[in-house]
Amino acid sequence: AQSVTQPDIHITVSEGASLELRCNYSYGATPYLFWYVQSPGQGLQLLLKYFSGDTLVQGIKGFEAEFKRSQSSFNLRKPSVHWSDAAEYFCAVGPDTGRRALTFGSGTRLQVQP
Amino acid sequence: GAVVSQHPSWVICKSGTSVKIECRSLDFQATTMFWYRQFPKQSLMLMATSNEGSKATYEQGVEKDKFLINHASLTLSTLTVTSAHPEDSSFYICSAPEASGKYEQYFGPGTRLTVT
Repeated sequence: AQSVTQPDIHITVSEGASLELRCNYSYGATPYLFWYVQSPGQGLQLLLKYFSGDTLVQGIKGFEAEFKRSQSSFNLRKPSVHWSDAAEYFCAVGPDTGRRALTFGSGTRLQVQP
Repeated sequence: GAVVSQHPSWVICKSGTSVKIECRSLDFQATTMFWYRQFPKQSLMLMATSNEGSKATYEQGVEKDKFLINHASLTLSTLTVTSAHPEDSSFYICSAPEASGKYEQYFGPGTRLTVT
């Protein structure tokens, strides 16, 4: 069965500092990978996605992620964090066998210090 | 991009009553929709797959009789929490996959259910 691991439950960074959120996946074939952001009490917003091709993908809000097949990773990065980036970040992989649902990681809560 | 709406955005109900949550795809048709549940500070867990014109497919451990799903049309799926109890309090999110087959999901804004 496919799975997603986000090793960091909570990360705190200073505003203006760089950010990297880790995501490791387990999947039998070429995965479709996603990063979503969720503000408190809100739904999910897609930051970026990887299906194929260039392993470095650019997303919204200045985020990027790099797919590394050899490491089964899809880490999310941002060179300079803004206070508004404070939120919960979820990595997801799809499709699940026999259906098109996504499997989500446990999430990483990002706190930004002024 | 495609939009998925949910109604209501939040609901409070008394223990023992039933609550219906609607999920609509506003500008596209969705033969399949997914229902997720998210407990506070936890991840999204798939509850069931809603299929237009056929029965829903439930994940292991999800009670079919408690969480009734009806995919009434190509743009509407409903989740009814029957005989709700406080432990059913959660954030319920629906999603619909985009049509190209690349497994991107469009998520609704979620419904916060509180059972008192």
